[in-house]
Amino acid sequence: DADVTQTPRNRITKTGKRIMLECSQTKGHDRMYWYRQDPGLGLQLIYYSFDVKDINKGEISDGYSVSRQAQAKFSLSLESAIPNQTALYFCATSPGTGWRNEQFFGPGTRLTVL
Amino acid sequence: SQELEQSPQSLIVQEGKNLTINCTSSKTLYGLYWYKQKYGEGLIFLMMLQKGGEEKSHEKITAKLDEKKQQSSLHITASQPSHAGIYLCGADTNSNTGKLIFGQGTTLQVKP
Repeated sequence: DADVTQTPRNRITKTGKRIMLECSQTKGHDRMYWYRQDPGLGLQLIYYSFDVKDINKGEISDGYSVSRQAQAKFSLSLESAIPNQTALYFCATSPGTGWRNEQFFGPGTRLTVL
Repeated sequence: SQELEQSPQSLIVQEGKNLTINCTSSKTLYGLYWYKQKYGEGLIFLMMLQKGGEEKSHEKITAKLDEKKQQSSLHITASQPSHAGIYLCGADTNSNTGKLIFGQGTTLQVKP
């Protein structure tokens, strides 16, 4: 079974709709992240959380919100989706022990906003 | 401009050929992470480098971090179609913040 899962894997929605992307992990990591990937731009950090009570904005948080429901669950919401939020979204986790910050990624959610 | 620059942006090689992908930063790299992504899928962690001059290998892939810790290279020996995908470098450039920045990726095609 996958260590980091994302649901849904694909979603098509309309402008103005609220949408939630969910991420669950069984790795036991405290740190979780949400990224978006656009062609030619690499990964951009949206939000990150180092524990259940710690939520931080990333580079491109405008138009997004998150909820850390438990150590294992981190959800990303688009309050009112717009077409330029069409992208591939990734959740990642990290053990964050010592100086090791490698991140482990989920399979991604492809979101299309019409 | 990107804080982490990868070159080349894309690469097409004949099966069996060697290739190198570079990842360059203007800041000191406290940790450098290489990932591979198949089109439209998640990123698979390949290896991590932290010490200047460090070199690691996994199967036919070797990654190095230069002495100044500002550039890393990923070298594939005798490329195979299974090596095709997008290679991304990620880096911690601000002393263990727990956040990584990523290069824009290098798309590799291997022709049989």
